[in-house]
Amino acid sequence: DIQMTQSPSTLSASVGDRVTITCRASQSISRGLAWYQQTPGKAPKLLIYEASTLPIGVPSRFSGSGSGTEFTLTISSLQPDDFATYYCQQYYEYLPLTFGGGTKVET
Amino acid sequence: QVTLRESGPAVVKPTQTLTLTCTFSGFSLTTGGMCVSWIRQTPGKALEWLARIDWDEDIWYTTPLQTRLTLSKDTSRNQVVLTMTNMDPADTGTYYCARIIRMRHTTEYFSYYFDYWGPGTLVTVSS
Repeated sequence: DIQMTQSPSTLSASVGDRVTITCRASQSISRGLAWYQQTPGKAPKLLIYEASTLPIGVPSRFSGSGSGTEFTLTISSLQPDDFATYYCQQYYEYLPLTFGGGTKVET
Repeated sequence: QVTLRESGPAVVKPTQTLTLTCTFSGFSLTTGGMCVSWIRQTPGKALEWLARIDWDEDIWYTTPLQTRLTLSKDTSRNQVVLTMTNMDPADTGTYYCARIIRMRHTTEYFSYYFDYWGPGTLVTVSS
């Protein structure tokens, strides 16, 4: 199985801050990576796929980069709605699909 | 508009069988590339992919649980049903169904990300 490791596990930030979250894969996954945002009591929401592509409707302050084994999710200017937990997921290998352990962005 | 919703018992006893239903709308599981997966979120393991059923009847399970899981679909009712046998307190968590559109972005791999999720259903395993 491909292991996904996120860092940090918790991040303290303020509104307006630039925030960067890292996700590392245990082997190369090319650009087969998605990012999700989860707020308490809600399902994860797709933020980015193919490492850097934003679905329609996702604000442009979110961006993703990377390929191979190292990826980053950046929020250019943190907004109140962005305090949440973020997960990466690899789909380069589909059996099994695997997620990172999550990064909680808190005040 | 794509929606998914999970339904099933909130509490099951240890050793019992859990049956969860995912009812979806806005797409058809007979359309090429469409897939529905189940994912769970437990305190100990964060997000864990469990199983996937594809438009072409292919079914895939996570290896550690494959002897306990069964996935089926009813395309006329737009439903996917997951059963998990021999439930244990460690299976307590929130169970989600989610859609995948399998596409080939590159020659290396297909995309299997979850573009729509149901709200989830909390299942507690307790006697």
